Amino acid sequence: GQQLNQSPQSMFIQEGEDVSMNCTSSSIFNTWLWYKQDPGEGPVLLIALYKAGELTSNGRLTAQFGITRKDSFLNISASIPSDVGIYFCAGFNSGGSNYKLTFGKGTLLTVNP
Amino acid sequence: EAGVTQFPSHSVIEKGQTVTLRCDPISGHDNLYWYRRVMGKEIKFLLHFVKESKQDESGMPNNRFLAERTGGTYSTLKVQPAELEDSGVYFCASSPDRGLGKLFFGSGTQLSVL
Repeated sequence: GQQLNQSPQSMFIQEGEDVSMNCTSSSIFNTWLWYKQDPGEGPVLLIALYKAGELTSNGRLTAQFGITRKDSFLNISASIPSDVGIYFCAGFNSGGSNYKLTFGKGTLLTVNP
Repeated sequence: EAGVTQFPSHSVIEKGQTVTLRCDPISGHDNLYWYRRVMGKEIKFLLHFVKESKQDESGMPNNRFLAERTGGTYSTLKVQPAELEDSGVYFCASSPDRGLGKLFFGSGTQLSVL
């Protein structure tokens, strides 16, 4: 099946630093999404990307849909303690009877105040 | 508006026992999904309901897993008999539109099989 390689696995940064994480796939997706999971909660959608090359921002978060449709990255600027959590990328191809998300293994982010 | 709710939040059972997980989607969401995350690994798709019908159950590991959504409202996922490798966090999600990938997740059920 399709697999996503998400890196890095974990990051430990100081408050105020910028963060970058990325996801690559061996196959094409027509939608890329980024979710964040806080401790004890379920994943929450941060950004959805629907067009190759698209660059989308949500506050301090910026994500891009790679031009090859096989990768995406997420940047967080000026990190704050509440950015702590697990960030998941997900690829999605809608159509037929298949509407499932393929997730990466997640990036665990720790922010030191 | 209430989000996706799951019950129980934690379940600890012994190998061979039966466990039933429940999910109440956001009201009006026809699409309901079950996903599972084994510790340290990716979140994996189990199945997808559209109203009461199973749209895609390709991710169900084996016939020890049974999902139902009678009446197209809440859903249950039963594991019988449970095995050690079934341990993990089971997430339920719902969405009003299946074509965008925008899912609303519940907080999950942490299942531990001993």
